[in-house]
Amino acid sequence: QKEVEQDPGPLSVPEGAIVSLNCTYSNSAFQYFMWYRQYSRKGPELLMYTYSSGNKEDGRFTAQVDKSSKYISLFIRDSQPSDSATYLCAMKETGGFKTIFGAGTRLFVKA
Amino acid sequence: DAGVTQSPTHLIKTRGQQVTLRCSPKSGHDTVSWYQQALGQGPQFIFQYYEEEERQRGNFPDRFSGHQFPNYSSELNVNALLLGDSALYLCASSRGDAAGNQPQHFGDGTRLSIL
Repeated sequence: QKEVEQDPGPLSVPEGAIVSLNCTYSNSAFQYFMWYRQYSRKGPELLMYTYSSGNKEDGRFTAQVDKSSKYISLFIRDSQPSDSATYLCAMKETGGFKTIFGAGTRLFVKA
Repeated sequence: DAGVTQSPTHLIKTRGQQVTLRCSPKSGHDTVSWYQQALGQGPQFIFQYYEEEERQRGNFPDRFSGHQFPNYSSELNVNALLLGDSALYLCASSRGDAAGNQPQHFGDGTRLSIL
């Protein structure tokens, strides 16, 4: 079993839809949770960085962490064609230096 | 303000050869991590350098080695290349702290192809 599980998709939605992306994990020591966006032929771009449980909002993006269920989510409101990319979840233990990534979910937003 | 820069962008090698990839961290960052990303997969942690020393290593063989210079730039060396080493190699930098809890910022990677 992988430490971080993420549905690879692809996920296709119409422009303006609310997108929900999710990851589950098995290591209860993970305390730092991240979401990255990766366009084709580019490196991952940090979208959200959260510590422990709770919600964090930044513009159209909302990250949620539920440590009791070992489940994290990223919501994208009013999705745009420019949001079409691969979204990677990532996690890290406190005091650890290794970040563990999910396999990424490919998102397509249709105009 | 320059972000993380990597060179070269593309590289083609043959099996058995050796390769060196280079990374300059984002301004103000002193910690560098290297990742391998196979097609359709998430990045896999290779190792992290802080204060010119490797402070954690992922599940990669000794053929993978690295170095960090006093100006915080870094190199990744891979010896005895195998076909399975074909991947996108990503460098990420962050502000250093003892706990390693600062967010990482990535470069656009070096795409390595092994023939």
